[in-house]
Amino acid sequence: EAQVTQNPRYLITVTGKKLTVTCSQNMNHEYMSWYRQDPGLGLRQIYYSMNVEVTDKGDVPEGYKVSRKEKRNFPLILESPSPNQTSLYFCASSYPPVDGGAYEQYFGPGTRLTVT
Amino acid sequence: AQTVTQSQPEMSVQEAETVTLSCTYDTSENNYYLFWYKQPPSRQMILVIRQEAYKQQNATENRFSVNFQKAAKSFSLKISDSQLGDTAMYFCAFMKHETASKLTFGTGTRLQVTL
Repeated sequence: EAQVTQNPRYLITVTGKKLTVTCSQNMNHEYMSWYRQDPGLGLRQIYYSMNVEVTDKGDVPEGYKVSRKEKRNFPLILESPSPNQTSLYFCASSYPPVDGGAYEQYFGPGTRLTVT
Repeated sequence: AQTVTQSQPEMSVQEAETVTLSCTYDTSENNYYLFWYKQPPSRQMILVIRQEAYKQQNATENRFSVNFQKAAKSFSLKISDSQLGDTAMYFCAFMKHETASKLTFGTGTRLQVTL
């Protein structure tokens, strides 16, 4: 089954304790992204990657790191989490359509992170 | 930069009725795509419908259709014959043609379908 997986699905941690949220896709997609969702703000892009070893900042990159060493994986790293990073996080992947139309984004199930 | 505005934070509709969710956007681009995503209580993001800006014909997917007004930069979603399973948060989103990895989202409209 074609899918994007994220782990963990739920995480409660404390300020300053480094954590990694993993993201993996089995569709051989070139493009991958991370978004965070906050009430009243919708989803905002954190980082994105257009291929292996190619990453760039989105709209809200402060406090986050990413890496893309393999095509299928795109982990999100919080080196020193703070309470304002409490949020719902989504990983997404996409691929150029053969008909030249819109790139459909495939979303993972989300990771609920709470930083106390 | 692009912005997407959803001016209706919450809406309610009775089962079997029709409801329209509003979305406006601001961009200087000519080639782009617009989407509506549904997020049920499970939190999964589900693509409902998409529209290519170069297409004048409004997209439809079963009970879901859009009213795309390019000059007015408006992209509303109409849900016909509303069902209880349509209860969800709905997000309007914009994508530039050149930036395949980036969706710009609105703040969402929470839709409640009632008996």
